[in-house]
Amino acid sequence: AQSVAQPEDQVNVAEGNPLTVKCTYSVSGNPYLFWYVQYPNRGLQFLLKYITGDNLVKGSYGFEAEFNKSQTSFHLKKPSALVSDSALYFCAVRDRRTGRRALTFGSGTRLQVQP
Amino acid sequence: NAGVTQTPKFQVLKTGQSMTLQCAQDMNHNSMYWYRQDPGMGLRLIYYSASEGTTDKGEVPNGYNVSRLNKREFSLRLESAAPSQTSVYFCASSEEQGEWSPLHFGNGTRLTVT
Repeated sequence: AQSVAQPEDQVNVAEGNPLTVKCTYSVSGNPYLFWYVQYPNRGLQFLLKYITGDNLVKGSYGFEAEFNKSQTSFHLKKPSALVSDSALYFCAVRDRRTGRRALTFGSGTRLQVQP
Repeated sequence: NAGVTQTPKFQVLKTGQSMTLQCAQDMNHNSMYWYRQDPGMGLRLIYYSASEGTTDKGEVPNGYNVSRLNKREFSLRLESAAPSQTSVYFCASSEEQGEWSPLHFGNGTRLTVT
């Protein structure tokens, strides 16, 4: 089975400070990992993905994520937060070994960036 | 550039009523999905369709049926709505090639069952 944990319901950060949103995963094989963002009353939007190769993945809007196989983590980061980054963030995983097409999502982390 | 379009945006049903949520995509994607989103639980997969003519159950299929009408359209039906089905429903699509293909989501249908 594949699963994702986002241990923080909410992360608060001041504008201009670095931010981290945490994600850990569990799969039987190797993972495909994704981050999505959701703004109010909208569907999820794709931010970035890890397939293979470099452990640091860069995505949209200045976000990046670091894949750590030994810790089974895929934390989302940004060097300098903006108020407009305030949204709900979801981590998701797909297990390569099972070939299961559908993603499993975490419960989401609300990011609040204070001016 | 519509992407994934869901109708209706909002719906209120009484317990026992039926309804169909519609979804259409114009990106020529082969795979389509229905998720429900509940507070604190993230998104849970109801059904998905890897290609036209095929459908598979996800994590929470009970109480739902789906139809992949053609490549563009994937509908979700509630035959006898229950209060536990109060949720926000999202349709999504992705390219078939590559399991790393990201999902493209519609803006959701907010359903309340009283």
